[in-house]
Amino acid sequence: NAGVTQTPKFQVLKTGQSMTLQCAQDMNHEYMSWYRQDPGMGLRLIHYSVGAGITDQGEVPNGYNVSRSTTEDFPLRLLSAAPSQTSVYFCASSLMGYGTEAFFGQGTRLTVV
Amino acid sequence: TQLLEQSPQFLSIQEGENLTVYCNSSSVFSSLQWYRQEPGEGPVLLVTVVTGGEVKKLKRLTFQFGDARKDSSLHITAAQPGDTGLYLCAGATNTGNQFYFGTGTSLTVIP
Repeated sequence: NAGVTQTPKFQVLKTGQSMTLQCAQDMNHEYMSWYRQDPGMGLRLIHYSVGAGITDQGEVPNGYNVSRSTTEDFPLRLLSAAPSQTSVYFCASSLMGYGTEAFFGQGTRLTVV
Repeated sequence: TQLLEQSPQFLSIQEGENLTVYCNSSSVFSSLQWYRQEPGEGPVLLVTVVTGGEVKKLKRLTFQFGDARKDSSLHITAAQPGDTGLYLCAGATNTGNQFYFGTGTSLTVIP
């Protein structure tokens, strides 16, 4: 039972490079989201999706793009990496947003130099 | 500024002591959850509370949702080293589509 799978686990980028963080879930969940975790700030919502073809911005969307072409996959794209995007990124999925359990991937530790 | 503020940010206590972690907001939430996160892992759900004034107990952990649904607390009785971790509260807006996490409380229980 895979749950939520994120790849890669670690990544180092140079400033200005682009990359895609992958997220896949096998629980047929409609709601998926991306968070970044920085010391002392908990998790901050970047983008979320309530179903295939539907995405919306969270608290800190600038510099990131998402798409949701299938129920299973929700990739996060960094368009032009900046040192301020150094963080740990978590993908989560849940049956629906309201009050349901969110299942998290193991995270991607990204360093931008 | 974050929607959900937790206090304290860090807590280091001896095994057997009691502690309370607070989660506060000026916004009303339709539901409030508590998660626990261990190093190198994603958060894992502990409990969900949905009714103002609700109290839930999970073994030595007691969770309370404020009457006005703007705040919550987590109380741990007789803390054990296995309780060590980062505790996060999370609230859902009325639409349920945006899920906000608190700033986190890092708990260390010393044997």
